[in-house]
Amino acid sequence: GAVVSQHPSRVICKSGTSVKIECRSLDFQATTMFWYRQFPKKSLMLMATSNEGSKATYEQGVEKDKFLINHASLTLSTLTVTSAHPEDSSFYICSGELAGGPGPNEQFFGPGTRLTVL
Amino acid sequence: KQEVTQIPAALSVPEGENLVLNCSFTDSAIYNLQWFRQDPGKGLTSLLLIQSSQREQTSGRLNASLDKSSGRSTLYIAASQPGDSATYLCAVTDSWGKLQFGAGTQVVVTP
Repeated sequence: GAVVSQHPSRVICKSGTSVKIECRSLDFQATTMFWYRQFPKKSLMLMATSNEGSKATYEQGVEKDKFLINHASLTLSTLTVTSAHPEDSSFYICSGELAGGPGPNEQFFGPGTRLTVL
Repeated sequence: KQEVTQIPAALSVPEGENLVLNCSFTDSAIYNLQWFRQDPGKGLTSLLLIQSSQREQTSGRLNASLDKSSGRSTLYIAASQPGDSATYLCAVTDSWGKLQFGAGTQVVVTP
């Protein structure tokens, strides 16, 4: 199957700093990538949808100025958590949509990034 | 708004027993339904994907059924093994490609 990587896998930062998380599709081109957030023992919540070359679409309640998403190429999307605070600590997972026929296509998920803000 | 529910939240069975995991969703206008496995601190591994026009999918010891009209899917895992211990998530895809996940069922298979 298609492979998606994330970097870093774990990051610990001080409150007030910004953290960038990379999501790469290694063996396919992903015109659409998705960013999810998962709290302990909770479901994944979609944060935003990013399309290559255009602005991301954020879900209701997600602060776009806090979570900056850039999808500059067909294989790379980045999520920057700006001025991180302890409440931003979470597990962030990205996925890439494998382009194919009409309609939604299968998403392939990265291994996740554990963010801890002290 | 689509809501996805998984019951039970946790399940413990002895090795060799069959596992039955349930997923229900409130809006039947789905594009497909997927079952995933998640190990602690890890990402998602896709297990089975059922298109809305399909009734079931099988892969090895895994079988997933879909009853779109009643908003239900069931994942069966035959002859469970300790290596099957993980959290299992179901997710429905809408026509825009967005996935809505359930909270998962945490499975423990004891030797």
